[in-house]
Amino acid sequence: GAVVSQHPSRVICKSGTSVKIECRSLDFQATTMFWYRQFPKQSLMLMATSNEGSKATYEQGVEKDKFLINHASLTLSTLTVTSAHPEDSSFYICSARSGQTRTDTQYFGPGTRLTVL
Amino acid sequence: GESVGLHLPTLSVQEGDNSIINCAYSNSASDYFIWYKQESGKGPQFIIDIRSNMDKRQGQRVTVLLNKTVKHLSLQIAATQPGDSAVYFCAEMIGGGYQKVTFGTGTKLQVIP
Repeated sequence: GAVVSQHPSRVICKSGTSVKIECRSLDFQATTMFWYRQFPKQSLMLMATSNEGSKATYEQGVEKDKFLINHASLTLSTLTVTSAHPEDSSFYICSARSGQTRTDTQYFGPGTRLTVL
Repeated sequence: GESVGLHLPTLSVQEGDNSIINCAYSNSASDYFIWYKQESGKGPQFIIDIRSNMDKRQGQRVTVLLNKTVKHLSLQIAATQPGDSAVYFCAEMIGGGYQKVTFGTGTKLQVIP
């Protein structure tokens, strides 16, 4: 199946710093990418939907100024957690859709574990 | 810090037996459903999907059943293997052009060798 990578896989940062997470579709072009966060033993919660070349659509309750999303190309989307705080510590997962149709398969990245001290 | 984790429902199954994982969804407007498998520390992996105009779909060793009347979805895994141990999530997508996938709470499958 299609491959989606994330970098870094783990990051530890100090409170108040910003962290950038990259999501790449390695063998297909993804016009739409999604960002999720997941707390331990909980489900995935969609944060935002990112379309190449346009502004991301954020879910209710997600601060767009805190979680900056850039989808600059058909194979790369980035999530920047600005001024991170301990409550932002979580598992961040991206997915990329392989086609244009909404029911086309979403392929998930391996996730990034963020720990904010 | 992180939120306190909820206790995931757990299903323990003997290796070789069949597993049935159930999921209730809430939105009657959902028209597309997906099952994902998530191993510890990894991203979800697509298993099988089904559209609302179907009530059954089969894959390799897996079958998904959809009962729209009671808004219930199930995933059946035949001849469960140790490698099937993971957390399984059902997910739904609302019709009408929306592309958001909403994940259910998840079930942890433990396969006993």
